Amino acid sequence: DAKTTQPPSMDCAEGRAANLPCNHSTISGNEYVYWYRQIHSQGPQYIIHGLKNNETNEMASLIITEDRKSSTLILPHATLRDTAVYYCIVRVPSISNFGNEKLTFGTGTRLTIIP
Amino acid sequence: DTGVSQDPRHKITKRGQNVTFRCDPISEHNRLYWYRQTLGQGPEFLTYFQNEAQLEKSRLLSDRFSAERPKGSFSTLEIQRTEQGDSAMYLCASRRERGTDTQYFGPGTRLTVL
Repeated sequence: DAKTTQPPSMDCAEGRAANLPCNHSTISGNEYVYWYRQIHSQGPQYIIHGLKNNETNEMASLIITEDRKSSTLILPHATLRDTAVYYCIVRVPSISNFGNEKLTFGTGTRLTIIP
Repeated sequence: DTGVSQDPRHKITKRGQNVTFRCDPISEHNRLYWYRQTLGQGPEFLTYFQNEAQLEKSRLLSDRFSAERPKGSFSTLEIQRTEQGDSAMYLCASRRERGTDTQYFGPGTRLTVL
């Protein structure tokens, strides 16, 4: 799996958009970008994933640069409940040929939402 | 879906004792995963099952660790002769066979070895 780089911590004001960056300069053509988050004392929670097009779901938006070497997770209106560690993971989906079953987590970004 | 459940949520044991953790995946999820998370680090993959077959094991899974999923439903992770370095959160996840590879995690079992 390609290595990812994330800032160790970020703050964001409640109600504002939280933009979490991730660098993955060695990503290969068949690797997707996944985001999970882990709220304190809970297991990780899937947020979103994408290959090259921007993606949006009820939780967040994922913006992937055209060269796919970096991406940004956007929480459009952050709430206190979004305080968590956010992990960016790059991998070949396990449902693909030569896919990878395991998730390789780094140390993530600790996002703190400020009231 | 009722979610992945794990039991116990917390376990304190003395060095040298054996411990066993249980994971109940989401119903009809035939893939089941174990991860370990130490303080300040992200989860690390240990092993996974497709139904009752254990298909991959990390080198982190020393010979003191054994995982089973005898009937393809719940799974157990046993650690023999625990060491202080085994203190960690042990996380279980499951996913469907087809359609999506989203892994759904349980709340974890926090092990403290004294």
